[in-house]
Amino acid sequence: GENVEQHPSTLSVQEGDSAVIKCTYSDSASNYFPWYKQELGKRPQLIIDIRSNVGEKKDQRIAVTLNKTAKHFSLHITETQPEDSAVYFCAARNSGGGADGLTFGKGTHLIIQP
Amino acid sequence: EPEVTQTPSHQVTQMGQEVILRCVPISNHLYFYWYRQILGQKVEFLVSFYNNEISEKSEIFDDQFSVERPDGSNFTLKIRSTKLEDSAMYFCASSVGLSHEAFFGQGTRLTVV
Repeated sequence: GENVEQHPSTLSVQEGDSAVIKCTYSDSASNYFPWYKQELGKRPQLIIDIRSNVGEKKDQRIAVTLNKTAKHFSLHITETQPEDSAVYFCAARNSGGGADGLTFGKGTHLIIQP
Repeated sequence: EPEVTQTPSHQVTQMGQEVILRCVPISNHLYFYWYRQILGQKVEFLVSFYNNEISEKSEIFDDQFSVERPDGSNFTLKIRSTKLEDSAMYFCASSVGLSHEAFFGQGTRLTVV
C-alpha cells in the first residue's frame, strides 16, 4: 500500500517569512495529492490539492509543487500570518486503482512566531 | 455552505459495549468515508462506501467494524465491542468523486473506558 512520509514534524517561522513542508510517497500510481490544515480540536480542511498531470499549483499565498519522478510534493506558504499556525497534513491517493482512501502523512505543526 | 455533520460530538462508552457513530454527508456526494485520528497522530483511513456497498477498507477495519447507509441521508459506523485502543476522533467525510475534495465532518471523539 501507499506510504507517505512528511517533514518536518514541527516548523517554527517568523511572521512574514515563508514555510515549506515536504512529503514523499511510495506508490508511483498515486495521482491525487491534497493538503489539509487542522486547527486544534477541529476538522481537517482542504487548503490546496494537485493532480499528477500538473507540476505546480498556486492559490494566493499557498502553492504546491509535485515531482512525479522523485515522488515528492511540497507545500509552500509565503508571507506567513499568525492564523497560519496549525497542523498541516499531506495525503496521497491512487484514484484510478481501486484505492479510495487517502493516505496521510504524520503532520507538521507550523508555528508562526510574532 | 453545505457541510458534513456528525453526531454525537463526544461519546463515552465502556469497554465491550457497542457504539454507533452517525454522519450526514453532503447531499449530492457519492463517496463516503470514515477516518480515525488517535490523539496527536495522523489521520488514518478506515473505509469507503459507494453505491451502497463498501468500496475499500483498511487493515484497521476488522470484523468489529461495520458501516451502513440506513436511509438516503445517514451514514453510520458501528463498533461492535469497543476496546480501549478504539479511543480516537472519528471523522466522516464525503466527496463528489474520488479525484475530488473530501469534505470532513467535525468529528466524534470516542472515549472507551
